[in-house]
Amino acid sequence: AQTVTQSQPEMSVQEAETVTLSCTYDTSESNYYLFWYKQPPSRQMILVIRQEAYKQQNATENRFSVNFQKAAKSFSLKISDSQLGDTAMYFCAFMKPSGGGADGLTFGKGTHLIIQP
Amino acid sequence: GAVVSQHPSRVICKSGTSVKIECRSLDFQATTMFWYRQFPKQSLMLMATSNEGSKATYEQGVEKDKFLINHASLTLSTLTVTSAHPEDSSFYICSASRPQGETQYFGPGTRLLVL
Repeated sequence: AQTVTQSQPEMSVQEAETVTLSCTYDTSESNYYLFWYKQPPSRQMILVIRQEAYKQQNATENRFSVNFQKAAKSFSLKISDSQLGDTAMYFCAFMKPSGGGADGLTFGKGTHLIIQP
Repeated sequence: GAVVSQHPSRVICKSGTSVKIECRSLDFQATTMFWYRQFPKQSLMLMATSNEGSKATYEQGVEKDKFLINHASLTLSTLTVTSAHPEDSSFYICSASRPQGETQYFGPGTRLLVL
């Protein structure tokens, strides 16, 4: 079974600062997918970024980037130039492949990120 | 886009009644849909995987007779909470993925309160 650990229950930074959220996972799979989802107060889950384990290059999406360290089983999320709208719960999630499609996600406990004005 | 809707957004029911929650993929066909449960201030827990035209696969500890899942078409999956009790009160979220796709797109969730 896979496990996902987010060791930071809550983080608070000033607007425009850079913040890094940590995530580690445990698996015996060699190929898998990792995701960061954002859940604002509306509780709508929003995909932030995804990474395929077989790709060595770190994924980036505008102000969001990851530091994927496969050997260390680490998948941190960096948010640059943070904005008030980034305030939300952030969940790290793991998924193993399922015959050419999606499988159920295993989520970490989440990090509550607060961006201060 | 990849839009997933859920209905209703919130429901209050009496103990012992059954409640049906619908999950629809609005602009794509979803061969696989997933149902998650989220308690207050906690993470999402996978309940079951729903494949179109076949029986759902339930996670360990999830009662299949209590949480009935039907995936009758490529755009609709339903979760029925049978004989609901106060401990079933929770936030239920569905997600859907495209055929051969790895990314899950989530619905807005349904808040269930059982009195």
